[in-house]
Amino acid sequence: GAGVSQTPSNKVTEKGKYVELRCDPISGHTALYWYRQSLGQGPEFLIYFQGTGAADDSGLPNDRFFAVRPEGSVSTLKIQRTERGDSAVYLCASNDPPGELFFGEGSRLTVL
Amino acid sequence: ELKVEQNPLFLSMQEGKNYTIYCNYSTTSDRLYWYRQDPGKSLESLFVLLSNGAVKQEGRLMASLDTKARLSTLHITAAVHDLSATYFCAVDHNTDKLIFGTGTRLQVFP
Repeated sequence: GAGVSQTPSNKVTEKGKYVELRCDPISGHTALYWYRQSLGQGPEFLIYFQGTGAADDSGLPNDRFFAVRPEGSVSTLKIQRTERGDSAVYLCASNDPPGELFFGEGSRLTVL
Repeated sequence: ELKVEQNPLFLSMQEGKNYTIYCNYSTTSDRLYWYRQDPGKSLESLFVLLSNGAVKQEGRLMASLDTKARLSTLHITAAVHDLSATYFCAVDHNTDKLIFGTGTRLQVFP
């Protein structure tokens, strides 16, 4: 596709459940980023991939959060034992460094 | 740790007026970005500023960068309702990730 694609666009889950969010970056972009945006806040960095490896995962809040990018393209953000505080919009972005970042539309996660 | 602060956080302005949004950051950086976000939407890139003294303009918006002062400004000229949105600055941290400011929510009224 022409842009960064994220699925699902909306996800409602119950506290304690497991969630996966998917990001399909722009073709050819080697770098992929995950951000989290809470209501009324700026995007908060979570993790950054260069190719298949996580170059910087310093933003992951705790060990319930994990992300993979096994083939250097599509990435999945995985959240275990979800908590209400995990509710946010999860944004994915990609670029061909050091070029501009392009953001997807986001996945809105609501934990009841 | 790189910190990025914007002010004001909220701005209500009348159509036709001018105003400036400020973005301060705490450590040296290679580049600074301005983004626009409409409610429920993702981030739209407005400007990329790459060097000290850089100035870019698009329509009623003009962005500038002073790397010595660690300050960027987004100036709005003769505001119109269509500019109502939230504006974020973001600073490149060691070229591997962007750190975003708190955002400025702009409302333009008739």
